[in-house]
Amino acid sequence: DIQLTQSPSFLSASVGDRVTITCRASQGASTYLAWYQQKLGKAPNLLIYAASTLQSGVPARFSGSGSGTEFTLTISSLQPEDFATYYCQQLNSYPLTFGGGTKVNIK
Amino acid sequence: QVQLVESGGGVVQPGRSLRLSCVASGFTFSNFGMHWARQAPGKGLEWVAVLWSDGSNENYADSVNGRFNISRDNSRNTLYLQMNSLRPEDTAVYYCARAFCSGGSCVNILDHWGQGTAVTVSS
Repeated sequence: DIQLTQSPSFLSASVGDRVTITCRASQGASTYLAWYQQKLGKAPNLLIYAASTLQSGVPARFSGSGSGTEFTLTISSLQPEDFATYYCQQLNSYPLTFGGGTKVNIK
Repeated sequence: QVQLVESGGGVVQPGRSLRLSCVASGFTFSNFGMHWARQAPGKGLEWVAVLWSDGSNENYADSVNGRFNISRDNSRNTLYLQMNSLRPEDTAVYYCARAFCSGGSCVNILDHWGQGTAVTVSS
């Protein structure tokens, strides 16, 4: 199984900050990686797929990069609506797996 | 617009069974693979199972393999998850989600999610 490790698990940031979240895979996942945002009490929402492709309707301040075993999600200028938990997910092989999540809090 | 509505959750004793349903609308259900994922209270996301559009290919997480069965009725636009031999660690909110498809090809990206249905396994 491919294990995904996200870092940090928690981060505190202010509106306007640039935020970077890392997802490391235990085995190569090529670019078969997606990122999701989940707000409290809500279902997850797809942000990015194929490591760097922005899902339709997602603001351009979100971006993704990486391949193989290291991936990043960047929010260029944090907005109030971005305070949420973020998850990476690999789709390179079964079983599909998610990272443990990164909770972004208001500083 | 795409809508996925889960139902069937509740409180069940360990060892018993439960069947979840997910009714889809707003897209041609028979053309899309469908997933179940879950989230235990206060925990992260866990993928559970996938079933492709024609029902020919399914796959499961190790934690549920042999106990859970995913199925679909394309005539009713409905996805199911039959959960047998339930354990306390199966307690979670269960989400159904649609696989991302483009140009006739689908991949295991979950592009639309339902609101979830809660399952509690407790004596």
